[in-house]
Amino acid sequence: GENVEQHPSTLSVQEGDSAVIKCTYSDSASNYFPWYKQELGKRPQLIIDIRSNVGEKKDQRIAVTLNKTAKHFSLHITETQPEDSAVYFCAASMITGTASKLTFGTGTRLQVTL
Amino acid sequence: DGGITQSPKYLFRKEGQNVTLSCEQNLNHDAMYWYRQDPGQGLRLIYYSQIVNDFQKGDIAEGYSVSREKKESFPLTVTSAQKNPTAFYLCASSKRGLHNEQFFGPGTRLTVL
Repeated sequence: GENVEQHPSTLSVQEGDSAVIKCTYSDSASNYFPWYKQELGKRPQLIIDIRSNVGEKKDQRIAVTLNKTAKHFSLHITETQPEDSAVYFCAASMITGTASKLTFGTGTRLQVTL
Repeated sequence: DGGITQSPKYLFRKEGQNVTLSCEQNLNHDAMYWYRQDPGQGLRLIYYSQIVNDFQKGDIAEGYSVSREKKESFPLTVTSAQKNPTAFYLCASSKRGLHNEQFFGPGTRLTVL
């Protein structure tokens, strides 16, 4: 099955700095890579995703890059703000029959300090 | 935060007892999922269902069972065979098909004493 590794497990940045979270996956058949944000005490929510036919995608201050050859993808947050503090999960999706199944990374706790 | 609900928020059970966690959605989603979240281990898939009356095992199905009798509901039973049931359980739903956004419920924290 798929295995997703995520680094770092914790990340502390000053407000206004950039944050980068990296993930690697094992199965070259995976072709969809979402990122979820989970604020303290709340449910995970999708913040951005990328499909295997695209190398980079941006949405305001967040961007995701994908390197299919190396089987890794990264989340980039620029101009970080205190409300960016949360746990971020990457995931890889592969097709099983008529469904797709997500395998999540272990999460990165991002703390944005003033 | 409406659309997908889980109850109760906190649940306590004695060791050896089966317990059923509720998950309901009014998003008209065909697909539903159960995940387990443990500290430092991310979200792990227990079971998923793409359509009523059909479901598949995820990566850690041992000691769990599900049913999907209605489109809106996907209850999860944690049986006494689950060796380490204390965890945070998240239910999610999505449109049927490939690579659709999964919407999560608020979760149930199960503690087995």
